[in-house]
Amino acid sequence: DAGVTQSPTHLIKTRGQQVTLRCSPKSGHDTVSWYQQALGQGPQFIFQYYEEEERQRGNFPDRFSGHQFPNYSSELNVNALLLGDSALYLCASSLDRGLFGKTQYFGPGTRLLVL
Amino acid sequence: DAKTTQPTSMDCAEGRAANLPCNHSTISGNEYVYWYRQIHSQGPQYIIHGLKNNETNEMASLIITEDRKSSTLILPHATLRDTAVYYCIVRVVGTSYGKLTFGQGTILTVHP
Repeated sequence: DAGVTQSPTHLIKTRGQQVTLRCSPKSGHDTVSWYQQALGQGPQFIFQYYEEEERQRGNFPDRFSGHQFPNYSSELNVNALLLGDSALYLCASSLDRGLFGKTQYFGPGTRLLVL
Repeated sequence: DAKTTQPTSMDCAEGRAANLPCNHSTISGNEYVYWYRQIHSQGPQYIIHGLKNNETNEMASLIITEDRKSSTLILPHATLRDTAVYYCIVRVVGTSYGKLTFGQGTILTVHP
């Protein structure tokens, strides 16, 4: 049973560029959440997707957008990259069903460096 | 979600039990206590969660005080591979929204 997978593992971009990160949820999961983790900090919630719609969003600007596909996989897009967007981007999946089905399981992350 | 307080760092000898405390004095009745850990440069790993009863799984035990204002994560026989940042998180379960709010966590170092 595959866990949460993310691609690419590492990425280098320059300021002003756009980037797309991808996530495949754990088998059987239908909800995907994205987090940003700056160096030395805990992960910060960006947004969550369920049924192909964004249903909760953290304190991130509109430059951060996402998408969820019918197969539950998801993309995170960041436009007009800033140096401060350099971070580890984490995807977590969960099952939106039942009281204990909402535990989030994380992927290995994509490390983005903006130069 | 309620705020948690954890020690910045802790040490433990290999083979001994590691007891990681967490204070969550403002926890609400419908908030669960979750523990995750993050080994350097990897994604956070789910460990265990509970509401008010003590919980045990193959990784750890979770002890929650009767008033639910604090909890302790116990790794019964710590190994070098348990060296990681441990995050204690409280969140409402049973709603449609699933944001996890991470603090700074506790850096656990297991020594030979």
